[in-house]
Amino acid sequence: KQEVTQIPAALSVPEGENLVLNCSFTDSAIYNLQWFRQDPGKGLTSLLLIQSSQREQTSGRLNASLDKSSGRSTLYIAASQPGDSATYLCAVSPGKTSGSRLTFGEGTQLTVNP
Amino acid sequence: DAGITQSPRHKVTETGTPVTLRCHQTENHRYMYWYRQDPGHGLRLIHYSYGVKDTDKGEVSDGYSVSRSKTEDFLLTLESATSSQTSVYFCAISRSDRGREQYFGPGTRLTVT
Repeated sequence: KQEVTQIPAALSVPEGENLVLNCSFTDSAIYNLQWFRQDPGKGLTSLLLIQSSQREQTSGRLNASLDKSSGRSTLYIAASQPGDSATYLCAVSPGKTSGSRLTFGEGTQLTVNP
Repeated sequence: DAGITQSPRHKVTETGTPVTLRCHQTENHRYMYWYRQDPGHGLRLIHYSYGVKDTDKGEVSDGYSVSRSKTEDFLLTLESATSSQTSVYFCAISRSDRGREQYFGPGTRLTVT
């Protein structure tokens, strides 16, 4: 059974700092890995999708990397802003089926202080 | 947001009553999913659908059933609601044209008293 772990569970940083969120998964036979953002009381917003054959993806100040063989992904946020405060979720989909049934980590709650 | 809506957005119901949640999409995606989100457990898959009338169970399917009679609608039914089904329920679709990237609806907050 796939298990996804996110460390740390919570993180508080001053504005402007660069930071890294970590995600690990136990079964390396994945199809893709997706990072989401969730604001309190809201739905999930997709940030980045990395296919299993890719090493990284970038969108603006966000960069996600994937090391499939070691079961790890990182989300790098450059020059953090108070508006980045949210919970960040990592999820993987299995490689052996055509459906994308995601297994989620419990998330990292990020607070960026002005 | 891939045109996903969920209804109702909030519901309070009593133990033992049936409840149906609706997910509607406007873009004719084949795959649809129902997840629940609970503190300490994160998001867990309840059921998913890979086409009209084609559904399968997820990790936490006991006490839930689903139906999909049209591409755009995916219904989740709690046959006899229990307090353990108090949760936030999210519907999602995956886009095959974007590497199966998943997009989520706004969620339904269900309270079973």
